[in-house]
Amino acid sequence: DVQLVESGGALVQPGGSLTLSCAASGFPFSSYTMNWVRQAPGKAPEWVAYMSARINTITYADFARGRFTISRDDAGRSLHLQMSSLRVEDTAVYYCARGEGFPDYWGRGTLVTVSS
Amino acid sequence: DIQMTQSPSRLSASIGDRVTITCRASQSVSRWLAWYQQKPGKAPKLLIYKSSTLEDGVPSRFSGSGFETEFTFTISSLQPDDSATYYCLQYGNFRTFGQGTKVEVK
Repeated sequence: DVQLVESGGALVQPGGSLTLSCAASGFPFSSYTMNWVRQAPGKAPEWVAYMSARINTITYADFARGRFTISRDDAGRSLHLQMSSLRVEDTAVYYCARGEGFPDYWGRGTLVTVSS
Repeated sequence: DIQMTQSPSRLSASIGDRVTITCRASQSVSRWLAWYQQKPGKAPKLLIYKSSTLEDGVPSRFSGSGFETEFTFTISSLQPDDSATYYCLQYGNFRTFGQGTKVEVK
């Protein structure tokens, strides 16, 4: 079965940094585009970034560009999101999701809270 | 950036009713439009992609249609388990979700 398990969410102060990870299993990880999508409480999901298979393409949402870095370790079957200069408005559940365009599998998410 | 306008924001309907949700894109996304269902505390679940293609295992009472800027999602006969929030997603140019439609089953 396809499984995506996020970790690393925490309470962090504004201006702080955090790295999220996603452990993947049950499918050929290196062959898939992987995504980070976030969802603030009571809001619609919002794309953060995606990275294509073999790292041919990396794309960030405007709010993430320059502050967030997506990376993948195909040998370790993991996806990462390094976040810096965090803002209160970055508070959300962050999901790891598989697939080009429209993700078909999602993890359960990890909560990031930015607050002083 | 492409904006997605989804309507209505919420609706209440009875079991067996036909329910329709609309998504309008600020510019053409061809048929690169998906629909997701999300229940509280859960991740979104893919129902439809490429405007009208039903994901494997999704009941046939769910359907989608549309092209370029106008898209429709329909539940032909509402069931109790369909109580959820539904989102459209355009993936023709980066990715943008609609604001969501909360469906309540009376």
